[in-house]
Amino acid sequence: EAGVTQFPSHSVIEKGQTVTLRCDPISGHDNLYWYRRVMGKEIKFLLHFVKESKQDESGMPNNRFLAERTGGTYSTLKVQPAELEDSGVYFCASSPSHSPLHFGNGTRLTVT
Amino acid sequence: GESVGLHLPTLSVQEGDNSIINCAYSNSASDYFIWYKQESGKGPQFIIDIRSNMDKRQGQRVTVLLNKTVKHLSLQIAATQPGDSAVYFCAESRSGNTPLVFGKGTRLSVIA
Repeated sequence: EAGVTQFPSHSVIEKGQTVTLRCDPISGHDNLYWYRRVMGKEIKFLLHFVKESKQDESGMPNNRFLAERTGGTYSTLKVQPAELEDSGVYFCASSPSHSPLHFGNGTRLTVT
Repeated sequence: GESVGLHLPTLSVQEGDNSIINCAYSNSASDYFIWYKQESGKGPQFIIDIRSNMDKRQGQRVTVLLNKTVKHLSLQIAATQPGDSAVYFCAESRSGNTPLVFGKGTRLSVIA
């Protein structure tokens, strides 16, 4: 089975620009999560979808971040406008109910 | 607030020796714990998990020990191999339904 795929693998943008990250979960996984790791810190939770619904978005840092999962399949995470502190690695993970999360390889975002 | 941390940020072991990676957690309500391995350029990969009704669980060459009295979790890797070199993260949640809270990670280096 194909794993969780994320696109792009790397993105370099200037402060103030917009970036959209995409995640394709494992087929059939209702749960989709976004996490991020900023330099030298822990992997932090951003939000959790169950199918197309946002189950928990308590980790979203501010309103510059917008996540969607239309149709309950793939998800996008948009950062608009990007700031320097948004740099880091953004991970997507998916799982069936009550199972360990399967992570993608992440998108490394650099804001200059 | 709840937090999960690691005693040692780096660990170097000789090939063939056993490795022990430690993790402390502060949330006594946590009842699900999981270890992930992250290799360079990849996302976290599931290794093993354990629920709070157990104090030990074994996998292939790996063992997780849970001491709820002192809120301590450890990962033991038997006969460590060069391919085990990676960053290891512990994570916890409550009832498997709350977002995973990750520790900072321990880098394991295997010396051939």
